[in-house]
Amino acid sequence: GQNIDQPTEMTATEGAIVQINCTYQTSGFNGLFWYQQHAGEAPTFLSYNVLDGLEEKGRFSSFLSRSKGYSYLLLKELQMKDSASYLCAVRDYGGGSQGNLIFGKGTKLSVKP
Amino acid sequence: DVKVTQSSRYLVKRTGEKVFLECVQDMDHENMFWYRQDPGLGLRLIYFSYDVKMKEKGDIPEGYSVSREKKERFSLILESASTNQTSMYLCASSPAGSGANVLTFGAGSRLTVL
Repeated sequence: GQNIDQPTEMTATEGAIVQINCTYQTSGFNGLFWYQQHAGEAPTFLSYNVLDGLEEKGRFSSFLSRSKGYSYLLLKELQMKDSASYLCAVRDYGGGSQGNLIFGKGTKLSVKP
Repeated sequence: DVKVTQSSRYLVKRTGEKVFLECVQDMDHENMFWYRQDPGLGLRLIYFSYDVKMKEKGDIPEGYSVSREKKERFSLILESASTNQTSMYLCASSPAGSGANVLTFGAGSRLTVL
């Protein structure tokens, strides 16, 4: 079956580093995405991994290991505005050649002063 | 600024009513999607469309239908609303093809069925 697991909630301190893990079991794999969603707002794209390794984008980095079915999102120099839910999503091969995204339930990150 | 626009931000309907949720995108995207988002369940795909007049069922299509008569517009229809359809509904679009084709989401429509 299709399954994406990530922690429900995490708390971290302003200025610190936090790592949000995501493990997945899907019938196919065609890329892994991370989205950020502030309360009451639409999800917005953060990162994309399709090959193993680390992708860095400013304070945010995302890592992928396809053999382990594992990814993490690393947030450095945390700011209060980083308090949000972080959604891990995997694209499978279903729905035609392009594949649809399967979302995890999201990790609610609270950044405290 | 590119956009996905959902016509209603908040709706309150009664059980049995027919409900239309409209979504329009201005990015000339081929793909459009309807999700619902519920606490503890995350985002679940209801229907999607890869082309005009094309539609495919997602993971939870029961109780819903869709219409895509024009490329830019994708409508979600609840033929007879029920209380278990109270939810946040999110429309999204993306360009065709594989690769890093990012979903762009609308702001969402929060539907309450009484």
